[in-house]
Amino acid sequence: DQQVKQNSPSLSVQEGRISILNCDYTNSMFDYFLWYKKYPAEGPTFLISISSIKDKNEDGRFTVFLNKSAKHLSLHIVPSQPGDSAVYFCAASARGSQGNLIFGKGTKLSVKP
Amino acid sequence: DTGVSQDPRHKITKRGQNVTFRCDPISEHNRLYWYRQTLGQGPEFLTYFQNEAQLEKSRLLSDRFSAERPKGSFSTLEIQRTEQGDSAMYLCASSLVGVGTQYFGPGTRLTVL
Repeated sequence: DQQVKQNSPSLSVQEGRISILNCDYTNSMFDYFLWYKKYPAEGPTFLISISSIKDKNEDGRFTVFLNKSAKHLSLHIVPSQPGDSAVYFCAASARGSQGNLIFGKGTKLSVKP
Repeated sequence: DTGVSQDPRHKITKRGQNVTFRCDPISEHNRLYWYRQTLGQGPEFLTYFQNEAQLEKSRLLSDRFSAERPKGSFSTLEIQRTEQGDSAMYLCASSLVGVGTQYFGPGTRLTVL
């Protein structure tokens, strides 16, 4: 039973345009959400996070939106650059847990020049 | 470099052999996590330490797996009597207590022949 779902295995975007990566979750106890970027043969790199008390968090070109009623979050990258091409993972941790993260299966983003 | 480091980066072994991996977390981080990632999946939680105490273990962590963090600094993950199904990327992450963001190392790629 997947608690964190990334339903799009891949996404292709033109350089300079917006990339929107989506993530759905089922566990209402999740209260902290993170996005990681991963290149092949490397560990995940932290990008941005959001607490459940907020609905938006911005860091440079990256913005995460959280819709608690829909149990949905999204990562917006504007403008997209070829160096953004990687696999993006959505992760969540639950209130009362010891902080272990539950990950989605990832979305492979390709940004074409 | 003050990030999380893991050693070795790659390990090839024959079925039935024992292997041990090492993780050095970010120096001031008191929480250390182990995850496993297989092809097409997100990282899956295995176990975590707060200082030297192992506080949680996933049901994925069979009896053949053991982890230690003897002095609350580096950690080791040992797999005894390896099986082909143990082939995966083993990831280590660290964080501070009370801070949800985990920072990952580059991982150890295990191949069991």
